[in-house]
Amino acid sequence: GAVVSQHPSWVICKSGTSVKIECRSLDFQATTMFWYRQFPKQSLMLMATSNEGSKATYEQGVEKDKFLINHASLTLSTLTVTSAHPEDSSFYICSAAGQNFYSNQPQHFGDGTRLSIL
Amino acid sequence: AQSVTQLGSHVSVSEGALVLLRCNYSSSVPPYLFWYVQYPNQGLQLLLKYTSAATLVKGINDFEAEFKKSETSFHLTKPSAHMSDAAEYFCAVSGKGRRALTFGSGTRLQVQP
Repeated sequence: GAVVSQHPSWVICKSGTSVKIECRSLDFQATTMFWYRQFPKQSLMLMATSNEGSKATYEQGVEKDKFLINHASLTLSTLTVTSAHPEDSSFYICSAAGQNFYSNQPQHFGDGTRLSIL
Repeated sequence: AQSVTQLGSHVSVSEGALVLLRCNYSSSVPPYLFWYVQYPNQGLQLLLKYTSAATLVKGINDFEAEFKKSETSFHLTKPSAHMSDAAEYFCAVSGKGRRALTFGSGTRLQVQP
């Protein structure tokens, strides 16, 4: 089946630093990737949708300058949390969809990245 | 607009007992509905999906769900719970023009020996 790899799985860093999270589709071309955020014991909230080669579309309330998304290739999207602060600590999950993706098709999720800002 | 409501944030069953996890949806367009399972510190694994074909959908690990339009429901069931079923379960909806998923708040399933 389709495999999505997310890296790193866990990162701890100091307040004020920037952190980059990678999401790779290993065996298919992901024209669309979604980034979700999950707070402890809560559901997943969509942050942004990225399409290969174009700017990401951010959900209302998500700061685009804070959460930089790059989807430069068909197998890689990155989320950079800039100048991270403790309130950015969360579980970040990406999902990927292949070409001709329609909303009735399942997305393929990565294993998530737990980000802890000290 | 779309939304999903999962009734019961925690459900506890005995091993071998029936599992019933409830999901109600709201959608202004014909919905596509999904159930995902999440184990601790992991991503989401698809259990099953409804995409306007058969209303009774069978998924992996003996899970199934029935789409009931009149009740706007898509409840997840399994005849006999295993210890390995203990996890967080999410119901999600998408629809024409909205490819991203809208998730419910999740239900944590506990399986008692």
